[in-house]
Amino acid sequence: ETGVTQTPRHLVMGMTNKKSLKCEQHLGHNAMYWYKQSAKKPLELMFVYNFKEQTENNSVPSRFSPECPNSSHLFLHLHTLQPEDSALYLCASSQDKSRANTGELFFGEGSRLTVL
Amino acid sequence: GNSVTQMEGPVTLSEEAFLTINCTYTATGYPSLFWYVQYPGEGLQLLLKATKADDKGSNKGFEATYRKETTSFHLEKGSVQVSDSAVYFCALRGRDDKIIFGKGTRLHILP
Repeated sequence: ETGVTQTPRHLVMGMTNKKSLKCEQHLGHNAMYWYKQSAKKPLELMFVYNFKEQTENNSVPSRFSPECPNSSHLFLHLHTLQPEDSALYLCASSQDKSRANTGELFFGEGSRLTVL
Repeated sequence: GNSVTQMEGPVTLSEEAFLTINCTYTATGYPSLFWYVQYPGEGLQLLLKATKADDKGSNKGFEATYRKETTSFHLEKGSVQVSDSAVYFCALRGRDDKIIFGKGTRLHILP
């Protein structure tokens, strides 16, 4: 139990569907992240939110739409996805680096997405 | 920019063998260094970390020493078990607070 919970764990959707992935962290962290992990490819950072403000968007296609209503919750809204978007989507959180904290990431178990 | 390079896998070892997974980095200043592990079907978990030169991180029998002179943070374990089969990621957090991951090394341990 890492303190970061992702739902659903598995999702199958057609290219015309709209679905959302949810992430919740119980660690009191201020930053939340979405990563994409595809087979045989490096971990890809998608979005970063710090105190609910988006601080990074790594040229992610607009069919992925993040939402961060507060520092504990993060969503990834999905619409008109492509089969190549099938992957494991990982959420993570962290606290700002300080004298008492090294700023490591705490990951959820991921949402396995399959786009048909 | 900052970067992390780790050895390509997969690495296959017999149980009780000695393990080394190499990791080198490029960064300005003194980044924090991490090893994460991902077991099948799960997310990444922090395995160990080090924040300054000559620090040794350790956990579950794994160790890594922050070597500034060689910009390395190699992961070692003296006697691996089947349950150590997983993907291992080296990572750093630089002065810009960005976290950079290596590509991951898949480890298979044979009984």
